[in-house]
Amino acid sequence: GAGVSQSPSNKVTEKGKDVELRCDPISGHTALYWYRQSLGQGLEFLIYFQGNSAPDKSGLPSDRFSAERTGGSVSTLTIQRTQQEDSAVYLCASSLGDRQRGEKLFFGSGTQLSVL
Amino acid sequence: AQSVTQPDIHITVSEGASLELRCNYSYGATPYLFWYVQSPGQGLQLLLKYFSGDTLVQGIKGFEAEFKRSQSSFNLRKPSVHWSDAAEYFCAVGAGTGTASKLTFGTGTRLQVTL
Repeated sequence: GAGVSQSPSNKVTEKGKDVELRCDPISGHTALYWYRQSLGQGLEFLIYFQGNSAPDKSGLPSDRFSAERTGGSVSTLTIQRTQQEDSAVYLCASSLGDRQRGEKLFFGSGTQLSVL
Repeated sequence: AQSVTQPDIHITVSEGASLELRCNYSYGATPYLFWYVQSPGQGLQLLLKYFSGDTLVQGIKGFEAEFKRSQSSFNLRKPSVHWSDAAEYFCAVGAGTGTASKLTFGTGTRLQVTL
């Protein structure tokens, strides 16, 4: 596609429910990232996929968070048993994956998650 | 571990005035440095990046940034601000060669432009 697409753009859920956030990266981009942006905070790294390599999950805040990337394209971030502190904007980014040169990230518009 | 500090949470400038947004980083080796902009309702967009070489980097929309190793800084500048520059600006540092894309972002500086 023309850019990184994320859905839904807004999600309101009740505490304790599970949510799934979707990211559709730019076609041909081998690298995909998830970041979280909380109010008044910077962007917090969550997870990184690069080709067929094992994902870098070092930023996931708890075992309630997981992500997968199917077929090297679409990615889903799942949050189980949501808590109010999970409320944030979840941003997805993709890149060509040329890590040696510090590649440019293309960001989606994000999913605003609100946990009531 | 790397970190980024953006000491100014909010800055207001008049249209046509010059702008400087501050960014200080902490990283043990030569950093990869970035500035991203997030306009209202838009995704983050790369303004410019520094990897090596010339310490003065030119970016899009008339922005530039200067890498000063002695000060661990990478301040963003623009000689004449336009109303459309109102947005949130994020400085970021990337780790070394093997993990260059795992960026650590600052908390951002919100720029307001008055007419």
